[in-house]
Amino acid sequence: ETGVTQSPTHLIKTRGQQVTLRCSSQSGHNTVSWYQQALGQGPQFIFQYYREEENGRGNFPPRFSGLQFPNYSSELNVNALELDDSALYLCASSLALIGPYEQYFGPGTRLTVT
Amino acid sequence: KQEVTQIPAALSVPEGENLVLNCSFTDSAIYNLQWFRQDPGKGLTSLLLIQSSQREQTSGRLNASLDKSSGRSTLYIAASQPGDSATYLCAVRLDTDKLIFGTGTRLQVFP
Repeated sequence: ETGVTQSPTHLIKTRGQQVTLRCSSQSGHNTVSWYQQALGQGPQFIFQYYREEENGRGNFPPRFSGLQFPNYSSELNVNALELDDSALYLCASSLALIGPYEQYFGPGTRLTVT
Repeated sequence: KQEVTQIPAALSVPEGENLVLNCSFTDSAIYNLQWFRQDPGKGLTSLLLIQSSQREQTSGRLNASLDKSSGRSTLYIAASQPGDSATYLCAVRLDTDKLIFGTGTRLQVFP
């Protein structure tokens, strides 16, 4: 059983560009959540997907968008990058939306916006 | 609005000490509480998950307690080792979706 994987590991982009980050859920998990972690802070919830539908969103602007695919892998897209988008982006998967299930986190993607 | 606070922000101790990390939250209507470990620049490793109906969970040298009514959780680390050096994050889960994290306690255990 493989864990949660994310790609790429590191990414450097210029302000105004667009970026796509990818996440593969742990086997059998149908729920994926994305978090942004700025340096020295705790992760902040961006949004969650359950069976390919967005199910909850944090306080992030619409230029943060996502997708979940039939195999439950997921993408996070950020348009019009700003300097403050520089952070570690984490995805987490869990077995189901409801129930006493842990969220399992991937290693993260470090995004630097210059 | 749920807020999660962790005290202390940083801790430096000699090897062998028993440690207590504190986490407090403002709204007791939580689904569960999870403690994580994060090594520098890395993802999160789940340490312990306590359901809202539980009082504590143990794994090896780690013990986490939960007092929902007072909005507090503690993580107890017995006989600390240099390999325990990391940032420890607590997070509360609301209903079916997001985790709300504290800012973490940065722990350094020196030989």
